Amino acid sequence: QVQLVQSGAEMRRPGSSVRVSCKTSGGDFNNFAFTWLRQAPGQGLEWMGTLIPVFGTPNYAQRFQDRVTITADKGTTTVYMELSGLRTADTAVYFCARSLGKAAQADYWGQGTLVTVSS
Amino acid sequence: DKQMTQSPSALSAFIGDRVTITCRASQSVYGWVAWYQQKPGQAPKLLIYKASTLQTGVPSRFSGSGSGTEFTLTISSLQPDDCATYYCQQYNGIPWTFGQGTKVEI
Repeated sequence: QVQLVQSGAEMRRPGSSVRVSCKTSGGDFNNFAFTWLRQAPGQGLEWMGTLIPVFGTPNYAQRFQDRVTITADKGTTTVYMELSGLRTADTAVYFCARSLGKAAQADYWGQGTLVTVSS
Repeated sequence: DKQMTQSPSALSAFIGDRVTITCRASQSVYGWVAWYQQKPGQAPKLLIYKASTLQTGVPSRFSGSGSGTEFTLTISSLQPDDCATYYCQQYNGIPWTFGQGTKVEI
């Protein structure tokens, strides 16, 4: 049974950083790509970046290029997303999702992690 | 980036109605389109991929069609459980881009 379980809600001050984890189970970790997306309150879905752990080099959305880092720990089959320089506009639910590659549909999703940025 | 324009943004229908949602890509994405259903407080759920392939376990009242730049999600007979927001997505390379969503109410 495939599961992606994300870490819990976070509250941060503007200018700080946050790291969200996504623990995966079921299926061969090395066969998949992992993507982070976010959804601001009442808004749609926004792609942030994708990592294929076996290749190691992530692709990031241009608007997050300087602030986001996606990494993976193959030993624990956990994927991480760190976002720095937080702004109030970064308040959103962050999702991890699994796909067979960068050009494939996301078939399994984490439950989402609310990150609130407020002074 | 390939933009996905989804319409309508919201609709209201009756149980048993046939519902159609349309997504238009700013350039051809061939058949690399997925449709997701999202309920409040939940993650999106994959319904359709490769424009018309039904994900395992998804009811057969959902269907998808299209290619190139025009895509459609159809619910053949709307059920109470179908109250949700629906998103199209293109994955013809990165970045993935999504439509703005269609909120379906009954």
